[in-house]
Amino acid sequence: AQSVTQLGSHVSVSEGALVLLRCNYSSSVPPYLFWYVQYPNQGLQLLLKYTSAATLVKGINGFEAEFKKSETSFHLTKPSAHMSDAAEYFCAVSDSGGYQKVTFGIGTKLQVIP
Amino acid sequence: EADIYQTPRYLVIGTGKKITLECSQTMGHDKMYWYQQDPGMELHLIHYSYGVNSTEKGDLSSESTVSRIRTEHFPLTLESARPSHTSQYLCASKATTGNTGELFFGEGSRLTVL
Repeated sequence: AQSVTQLGSHVSVSEGALVLLRCNYSSSVPPYLFWYVQYPNQGLQLLLKYTSAATLVKGINGFEAEFKKSETSFHLTKPSAHMSDAAEYFCAVSDSGGYQKVTFGIGTKLQVIP
Repeated sequence: EADIYQTPRYLVIGTGKKITLECSQTMGHDKMYWYQQDPGMELHLIHYSYGVNSTEKGDLSSESTVSRIRTEHFPLTLESARPSHTSQYLCASKATTGNTGELFFGEGSRLTVL
């Protein structure tokens, strides 16, 4: 079984401040991990993914995430928030086997304050 | 850029009506999915398909049905809509080979049943 926990359903940061969105996972097999972003009235778009290569993964729009096996974490960061980063962010885990069932977290809504 | 399309984007209908949400993808993906998304909750998988003539129910019980007659097309049907069906429905697809579990999403169909 696998699961995802996103700490904080709402996060507010000032424009230019560090963005940190937390994600912890559980998986019985080596996982693939993802961050998706959803802008209002749109579907989900892949930000970045971890697939057992480098533990520090860089994505689009200046976001990155670090896979820490010992902490079962995959937190998303961005050094300087921009107004356009306001959106909902979903962490997801997939097993690395053939079935690749994907389990999503409940999402974190990021507000950027000018 | 992903090529997966959902229509209609928004639909408001009365109780008891039959509705079909369309989903088409031009990437040749074998695997397709329907998720239900409600505010503050994780995405719930309601249907999936691994190819033509293959359909399965997902983790969340749903009164909707799906069909997969063509690789590129995966419509979802509600025979008799009720207010409890009000939700956002997201269609997604995934490549079968050479992939790491990444899902490509459509922009969603927001259904309101009065």
